[in-house]
Amino acid sequence: SQTIHQWPATLVQPVGSPLSLECTVEGTSNPNLYWYRQAAGRGLQLLFYSVGIGQISSEVPQNLSASRPQDRQFILSSKKLLLSDSGFYLCAWRDRLRDGYTFGSGTRLTVV
Amino acid sequence: AQSVAQPEDQVNVAEGNPLTVKCTYSVSGNPYLFWYVQYPNRGLQFLLKYITGDNLVKGSYGFEAEFNKSQTSFHLKKPSALVSDSALYFCAVRDLTSGGSYIPTFGRGTSLIVHP
Repeated sequence: SQTIHQWPATLVQPVGSPLSLECTVEGTSNPNLYWYRQAAGRGLQLLFYSVGIGQISSEVPQNLSASRPQDRQFILSSKKLLLSDSGFYLCAWRDRLRDGYTFGSGTRLTVV
Repeated sequence: AQSVAQPEDQVNVAEGNPLTVKCTYSVSGNPYLFWYVQYPNRGLQFLLKYITGDNLVKGSYGFEAEFNKSQTSFHLKKPSALVSDSALYFCAVRDLTSGGSYIPTFGRGTSLIVHP
């Protein structure tokens, strides 16, 4: 079966510290992968998307970066966190057969 | 370009009453429309989608949505609301002619509150 795993569920990090959030997908190959940020519990902002290994597109300029080292692995990173990076981060993938989108359970990041 | 508008930040309804959560969209081609629900501190869960065919789409948990091309709307409905339906609801659209990235655009979300 197809599943998506996202971890950690919650994270508290000091300003200036690095960040690494991981997302993996099982049961499919060559998925389109997406990172979203949800601020203040409302709208979703697309941060990055990837159509294949090593192919990353950024939607907005920011303090974050993304990488896709393997087909079903998508990583969100930062070298130095800012207070404004706090939020709820969601990973998603596109199911080609159903042509739908499945979301991970999210990571609540608090930068202090 | 594609966009979605959810004009209501919050919808309040009494348990047992019908509910409607509004959504309008804009795409240059044919729309592919979705509704998702989000419970606190959780990911988005798929409710239903419309690509083509019958304008009334039935989805999970008794929800349905009506596609109206002339009004460019895709309102979410349920005949009888439950307290457990209280959550944040997102409408999303994708232009069917978009290729490669297949990026959907999400609305800002509508908070549904069902009162006992």
